[in-house]
Amino acid sequence: DAGITQSPRYKITETGRQVTLMCHQTWSHSYMFWYRQDLGHGLRLIYYSAAADITDKGEVPDGYVVSRSKTENFPLTLESATRSQTSVYFCASSGSRARESPLSYEQYFGPGTRLTVT
Amino acid sequence: SQELEQSPQSLIVQEGKNLTINCTSSKTLYGLYWYKQKYGEGLIFLMMLQKGGEEKSHEKITAKLDEKKQQSSLHITASQPSHAGIYLCGAGGNAGNNRKLIWGLGTSLAVNP
Repeated sequence: DAGITQSPRYKITETGRQVTLMCHQTWSHSYMFWYRQDLGHGLRLIYYSAAADITDKGEVPDGYVVSRSKTENFPLTLESATRSQTSVYFCASSGSRARESPLSYEQYFGPGTRLTVT
Repeated sequence: SQELEQSPQSLIVQEGKNLTINCTSSKTLYGLYWYKQKYGEGLIFLMMLQKGGEEKSHEKITAKLDEKKQQSSLHITASQPSHAGIYLCGAGGNAGNNRKLIWGLGTSLAVNP
């Protein structure tokens, strides 16, 4: 039971390059999220997806592109990486725990990708 | 826009001591989630509170949501080195959709043996 995985775990890239971070979950959760975590800013939502082919912007979407052709995958692409996008990126997924509460939408996080843009 | 304030920002305690972390909002919280993050790792879900006055416990960790649903506390009893890490609160700010969470900046906890 892999749960939610992210790849790569570490990435160093140069300014201007395109980078894609992968996220895969095995729970068939409908919702998936991409966050970045930076010192002093905490977790900030980049994009989220309610289902396959449905995506929406979060708090800091500029410079990022997402797609979700399959329920289990939610890749995040930096079209032209900038130094300000150096960060730790977390993917998360969320279902609903109907057996406890239909409104309990806790998110389950991947291990993160540490991205450095030089 | 709604913000979540966590206090204290960091905490160092001696093993065996009790401690409390707070999470406060200026607006009503629709679902309050507590997570723990070990350094360099992802977030682990601890507990979720929804109803005013609700209290939940898991092992030595107890979380409460006040009646107004604007403040939550996380209490650790008889702390252990395994409790060390960053504790984050997240909350839904919209009654209609609390899938999108806003997050506090976290409280860093160190437990000295």
